[in-house]
Amino acid sequence: DAGITQSPRYKITETGRQVTLMCHQTWSHSYMFWYRQDLGHGLRLIYYSAAADITDKGEVPDGYVVSRSKTENFPLTLESATRSQTSVYFCASSSTRTTNEKLFFGSGTQLSVL
Amino acid sequence: KQEVTQIPAALSVPEGENLVLNCSFTDSAIYNLQWFRQDPGKGLTSLLLIQSSQREQTSGRLNASLDKSSGRSTLYIAASQPGDSATYLCAVSLRGGSEKLVFGKGTKLTVNP
Repeated sequence: DAGITQSPRYKITETGRQVTLMCHQTWSHSYMFWYRQDLGHGLRLIYYSAAADITDKGEVPDGYVVSRSKTENFPLTLESATRSQTSVYFCASSSTRTTNEKLFFGSGTQLSVL
Repeated sequence: KQEVTQIPAALSVPEGENLVLNCSFTDSAIYNLQWFRQDPGKGLTSLLLIQSSQREQTSGRLNASLDKSSGRSTLYIAASQPGDSATYLCAVSLRGGSEKLVFGKGTKLTVNP
């Protein structure tokens, strides 16, 4: 099914563990984004990527690592999870950098760090 | 630093009512403004995009207006339906890049049958 998919849908982990959230899009969009959504903060950009092998930091990158070896995939890794990283994570994609093009969001991954 | 505020945080209305959701931003030098809808447990869906040179955009029962000079945008929903129940977020873009989108925290709308 075409679109942008995230996995897993829900994840529970413990502090200190490494966790990888997956994002896959079928449109061959150049730009991909990772956001976290928290009560009281709204959506905040973690990392983004303009193309394969090109990534850059967003507003809240600390504690996260991304890679983009293929255009369609943009995994987000929490190297050593902390409770403050409990959040809902959204992946998004766009065909261009400009916001004249719509941003398409995945359904999110709800992550709980115990 | 650009800040985007949406008031109220929650709104409950009876079905059929026309309603207005508000969005304000602190820096008027925006490139464009978008309104998104978010259903519970889902991602965001783009509803309307208004360029900085435009005053409004319409899609079906939705009409979004933009007043850059006053730093305000409104989303007007006509003849509301229970299916309109969702959280509505606005986001402003600075200098055109999607990585520069600044989101408001949203208004949670409940339309009661």
